[in-house]
Amino acid sequence: KAGVTQTPRYLIKTRGQQVTLSCSPISGHRSVSWYQQTPGQGLQFLFEYFSETQRNKGNFPGRFSGRQFSNSRSEMNVSTLELGDSALYLCASTSGSVAGANVLTFGAGSRLTVL
Amino acid sequence: LAKTTQPISMDSYEGQEVNITCSHNNIATNDYITWYQQFPSQGPRFIIQGYKTKVTNEVASLFIPADRKSSTLSLPRVSLSDTAVYYCLVGGPYSGGYQKVTFGIGTKLQVIP
Repeated sequence: KAGVTQTPRYLIKTRGQQVTLSCSPISGHRSVSWYQQTPGQGLQFLFEYFSETQRNKGNFPGRFSGRQFSNSRSEMNVSTLELGDSALYLCASTSGSVAGANVLTFGAGSRLTVL
Repeated sequence: LAKTTQPISMDSYEGQEVNITCSHNNIATNDYITWYQQFPSQGPRFIIQGYKTKVTNEVASLFIPADRKSSTLSLPRVSLSDTAVYYCLVGGPYSGGYQKVTFGIGTKLQVIP
């Protein structure tokens, strides 16, 4: 069973540019959530999508956006990049069902460096 | 939304049992407690999950007291490969509404030879 796949794994951008990251969840999982991880802030929740709808959003500026497609694949976009956006961006998938607690399965992450 | 508090770091010698405690005073009735392990430059990996009392799997045990305001992850006989950051996550089922997932800063476990 394939895991969560994130692309690209590494990328370098300059300030002011924009970036799009992709996440393919585990087959059958309908929920995809995104996180930003930096050394000082730990893992911070960005947003979660379920069946193409954003269900929840963390405390990030509007420059951070996302979407989910009908096949549950998700993308996140960061516009007008700032130096502080340098981080490991992780996505996680889960079934998102109403029964029981949902265990998150994470991808390996996309390491973004903003110069 | 249940906030979690864990020690920032812990050191342990190889072969010892390690216990990491997480406080979650305002845990909700429907919340589960889940622990994840993360190695550098990798995504967190599920270790164990529980609701109450004790849960054990092949890698760890999770102890949850009756009031559920804290939980303790127990790693038996740690090895160098257990050096990682451990996250305690408290959350509940998706009940058709919205569920925000909150991780703390985690506990950095350093296993010493």
